[in-house]
Amino acid sequence: AQSVTQPDIHITVSEGASLELRCNYSYGATPYLFWYVQSPGQGLQLLLKYFSGDTLVQGIKGFEAEFKRSQSSFNLRKPSVHWSDAAEYFCAVARRGSTLGRLYFGRGTQLTVWP
Amino acid sequence: DAGVTQSPTHLIKTRGQQVTLRCSPKSGHDTVSWYQQALGQGPQFIFQYYEEEERQRGNFPDRFSGHQFPNYSSELNVNALWLGDSALYLCASSSSGSVVGEQYFGPGTRLTVT
Repeated sequence: AQSVTQPDIHITVSEGASLELRCNYSYGATPYLFWYVQSPGQGLQLLLKYFSGDTLVQGIKGFEAEFKRSQSSFNLRKPSVHWSDAAEYFCAVARRGSTLGRLYFGRGTQLTVWP
Repeated sequence: DAGVTQSPTHLIKTRGQQVTLRCSPKSGHDTVSWYQQALGQGPQFIFQYYEEEERQRGNFPDRFSGHQFPNYSSELNVNALWLGDSALYLCASSSSGSVVGEQYFGPGTRLTVT
């Protein structure tokens, strides 16, 4: 069965520090991979996605993520965090080749940013 | 261009009652998916509608049903509400022409069952 694991429930960083949020997946084949962000009272906003090709993908708001097949991981990174990045972050997968687009989500990582 | 809209924003119901949530997809999108997000959890897939039919369904009981209208908007109905149905309900829309069905999410409806 497919599953997405985000091992860190809550992360706190200082503004300007670097950030890495971890995501591991369990799937029959390499799925499509996504990171979403959710601010309080907001829906989910897509930060970036990986379908194929270059394993380092760039997203919005200065985020990037690296796909590592050998580790079944898709970790999200940002070199310098801004206070406005405080939010909840979700890693998600979808079955490769599917046009149905059903997403399987991890439980999320809550990011707190200290000024 | 309006994104995905949902109504109402918040809703309070009593156990055993029925509720209807509404969703209008992003312009140009023809597929609507519904997700349930319990407190402290990631969203869980309920079902997806395309061409006014349920195309796939997650692990939710028959108390959860839906509908899609010719204008692609959608409703989620939940009957015989339980306390455990309290959650944020998210609607996501996508285009069937997209390879992977990249989804755009609405702000959600917060349902509280007392």
